[in-house]
Amino acid sequence: QVHLQESGPGLVKPSETLSLTCTVSGGSIGTFYWSWIRQPPGKGLEWIGYVYYTGTTNYTSSLKGRVSISVDTTKNQFSLQLSSVTAADTAVYYCAREPKTRYLYGSVSYAFDFWGQGTMVTVSS
Amino acid sequence: EIVLTQSPGTLSLSPGERATLSCGASQSITSNYLAWYQQKPGQSPRLLIYGASNRATAIPDRFSGRGSGTDFTLTISRLEPEDFAVYYCQQYGDSPYTFGQGTKLDFK
Repeated sequence: QVHLQESGPGLVKPSETLSLTCTVSGGSIGTFYWSWIRQPPGKGLEWIGYVYYTGTTNYTSSLKGRVSISVDTTKNQFSLQLSSVTAADTAVYYCAREPKTRYLYGSVSYAFDFWGQGTMVTVSS
Repeated sequence: EIVLTQSPGTLSLSPGERATLSCGASQSITSNYLAWYQQKPGQSPRLLIYGASNRATAIPDRFSGRGSGTDFTLTISRLEPEDFAVYYCQQYGDSPYTFGQGTKLDFK
């Protein structure tokens, strides 16, 4: 059974960089897309971006310029960095797996089938 | 960006009743890549339906999804006590992936 576990500081100061890692166990990080999703307290879900095991990335436009997602296949981990944080970045951050295969004229995806338990990050001085 | 609008915001029903949740998209969803998730307090979302109508692994058959283009529904045929939760739709056919604002299913 695949298991995802987020880790990282629970408190980050305004203007600093939020850094989280997701460790994947029970399966390989290869051939899947790996996303970060966040949920502010009492609110809905927001997709942040994904990384493919090759290192290819895609981010939501509202965070472009502040966000970076990377992968380390040797450790079966992928990571999120979000710079210049403000109180608006306070949220539960989830990592999730997306089985997706790209073809020449399209792709086949099965949505987010496995999620981590989430980690709460508070931005405050 | 594709905006997903879920209705109703809150649905109050009793166990044994049928629940119908709606998700409307601001434009047609590529390949009908529309998913439904269930989220209970303090838990991460759980995938119920992908590709608009395909049940995910180990999801009971009382959950069903249908729709295409811009209009989608999730139906729970006979509510069990454990089904009372928040439900989100999500499109993953175009970047950026987007979620609806959620429908809360609570006890009447």
